[in-house]
Amino acid sequence: DTEVTQTPKHLVMGMTNKKSLKCEQHMGHRAMYWYKQKAKKPPELMFVYSYEKLSINESVPSRFSPECPNSSLLNLHLHALQPEDSALYLCASRPTGGNTEAFFGQGTRLTVV
Amino acid sequence: KNEVEQSPQNLTAQEGEFITINCSYSVGISALHWLQQHPGGGIVSLFMLSSGKKKHGRLIATINIQEKHSSLHITASHPRDSAVYICAVPSGSRLTFGEGTQLTVNP
Repeated sequence: DTEVTQTPKHLVMGMTNKKSLKCEQHMGHRAMYWYKQKAKKPPELMFVYSYEKLSINESVPSRFSPECPNSSLLNLHLHALQPEDSALYLCASRPTGGNTEAFFGQGTRLTVV
Repeated sequence: KNEVEQSPQNLTAQEGEFITINCSYSVGISALHWLQQHPGGGIVSLFMLSSGKKKHGRLIATINIQEKHSSLHITASHPRDSAVYICAVPSGSRLTFGEGTQLTVNP
């Protein structure tokens, strides 16, 4: 199994809603990532988890709250988002250490209305 | 100056043409990734290479570590190759991405 599975594929939420994005992998990768991608732009790193601990937060607003409950699962909790947060949210995983290949999910297309 | 620069930004080709996409980087690296993204879709890893050349089907990737340059070639291009191609270099836990090359292959 070399897949990173993200759910849901599409999400429309109001600015007062609370929702969560989910990412799952069963490759035994201990580094997991959240990226945000706007149209026609490369992905921007948001968070990195290493061995289930948050190791990098790229100064992301607190309305985005990541969680890594176990080595296979990564969540991104969303609350009080703004329309400019509408984007494709990508999850990725890699084995830790050395030159390792990154595996990406299909992304969640988020629209904030 | 971006750490990773790709050229061209946009590329239109006729089916069957040989395609080359270039990537230059300014930092020392030990490996480079080539990624593919179809419209509205997730990212697929095509190659990770640290020296020489790798081939997978009609795709060939080369890297020259001394010159800090890599190329992605597509032979006998096909409309299904239409996508954004991104090179990325690792920096610790991070990946630094190029701006991507939008490839359109017309039938």
